[in-house]
Amino acid sequence: GAVVSQHPSRVICKSGTSVKIECRSLDFQATTMFWYRQFPKQSLMLMATSNEGSKATYEQGVEKDKFLINHASLTLSTLTVTSAHPEDSSFYICSARERRLAGGTQYFGPGTRLLVL
Amino acid sequence: GQNIDQPTEMTATEGAIVQINCTYQTSGFNGLFWYQQHAGEAPTFLSYNVLDGLEEKGRFSSFLSRSKGYSYLLLKELQMKDSASYLCAVSYGGATNKLIFGTGTLLAVQP
Repeated sequence: GAVVSQHPSRVICKSGTSVKIECRSLDFQATTMFWYRQFPKQSLMLMATSNEGSKATYEQGVEKDKFLINHASLTLSTLTVTSAHPEDSSFYICSARERRLAGGTQYFGPGTRLLVL
Repeated sequence: GQNIDQPTEMTATEGAIVQINCTYQTSGFNGLFWYQQHAGEAPTFLSYNVLDGLEEKGRFSSFLSRSKGYSYLLLKELQMKDSASYLCAVSYGGATNKLIFGTGTLLAVQP
């Protein structure tokens, strides 16, 4: 199956700093990538849809100036959490959809666990 | 609005069969997915249904009824490693194919 990687897998940072998370599709091209957040014992919540070469589309309630998304190529999307605060601590997961596949099957990265102190 | 319902927890015995139900109400429907998620890990793709009926893949089968807004995931010959959360997700939003997830069903397989 399609492989999606994320880096870093785990990050601890101080409040007020910015953190960048990378999402890569390793063996396929992804015109669309998605960023999710998952709090403990809750399901995945879509934050934004990242389209290659265009601006990301954010879900209601997600601050676009706080969560900066860049989709510079067909295999890479980045999420930057700016001025992180403890309430931003969560499990961030990206997914990528292979452009050739019908139905929109999304393949997920291994996730990035962010802890803001 | 968008709503997906699944049971929160289920328990089953090793070697048995378990059925996890999912009902949904969404604005738009492009298909329904089932994912497996072990604690602390990302979801892994199990199945995809877009037409009514049963899709079988090894020990896992998934059923869809679009008119009833209902799906189930059937796991046969349960193994201890099947203990995980099972997420029902509906794809919607036209070409964007966004996913909305249910809260997941935590399945515990006991010896």
